[in-house]
Amino acid sequence: DAGITQSPRHKVTETGTPVTLRCHQTENHRYMYWYRQDPGHGLRLIHYSYGVKDTDKGEVSDGYSVSRSKTEDFLLTLESATSSQTSVYFCAISRPRLGTASSYEQYFGPGTRLTVT
Amino acid sequence: RKEVEQDPGPFNVPEGATVAFNCTYSNSASQSFFWYRQDCRKEPKLLMSVYSSGNEDGRFTAQLNRASQYISLLIRDSKLSDSATYLCVVTGFQKLVFGTGTRLLVSP
Repeated sequence: DAGITQSPRHKVTETGTPVTLRCHQTENHRYMYWYRQDPGHGLRLIHYSYGVKDTDKGEVSDGYSVSRSKTEDFLLTLESATSSQTSVYFCAISRPRLGTASSYEQYFGPGTRLTVT
Repeated sequence: RKEVEQDPGPFNVPEGATVAFNCTYSNSASQSFFWYRQDCRKEPKLLMSVYSSGNEDGRFTAQLNRASQYISLLIRDSKLSDSATYLCVVTGFQKLVFGTGTRLLVSP
């Protein structure tokens, strides 16, 4: 258990409304990630963070923004939700593989199911 | 061509069977390789990292063939509880790249 929680776990919203998803971790890991998972696509990286206020884009970042004001929280915002953003969103942290300092493994939160109507 | 390709399955096997999954990747610079397990409507969970020399964890064996750019996962003595989707994951440029998964169904 990597101590990752996500909120809300489920959300239904209307097209055009802003939505913020929260990821919270308890182990002070530096790297945090947001992914979306859709049928036929696997998990795709939206944004990631490598420290407080340090973030970068992933492969599907259009329409999303992120913020990280504290080590433990990584927020994903959909400024104006669209139906194409209906998906399952997973947050992840990266931590060193046991017994190593240079190899990292990612662990995932329970996910948020977002439906945009 | 997808960066990571897997046979989507499903693989239907009886309890006790041995089943193998393969995964190919396109980025020859990839350095780290993983198998994740994902149950229906749950988050992916790390099953095992894949080491260059191959590694085993109980009934699970992972192999890496860098020359041919493929990774394999062997499950021996399949259990009902092994039913899940297995995701092949490799490192890309500063990120992980996920396959779409292979679904395994183990029946009594």
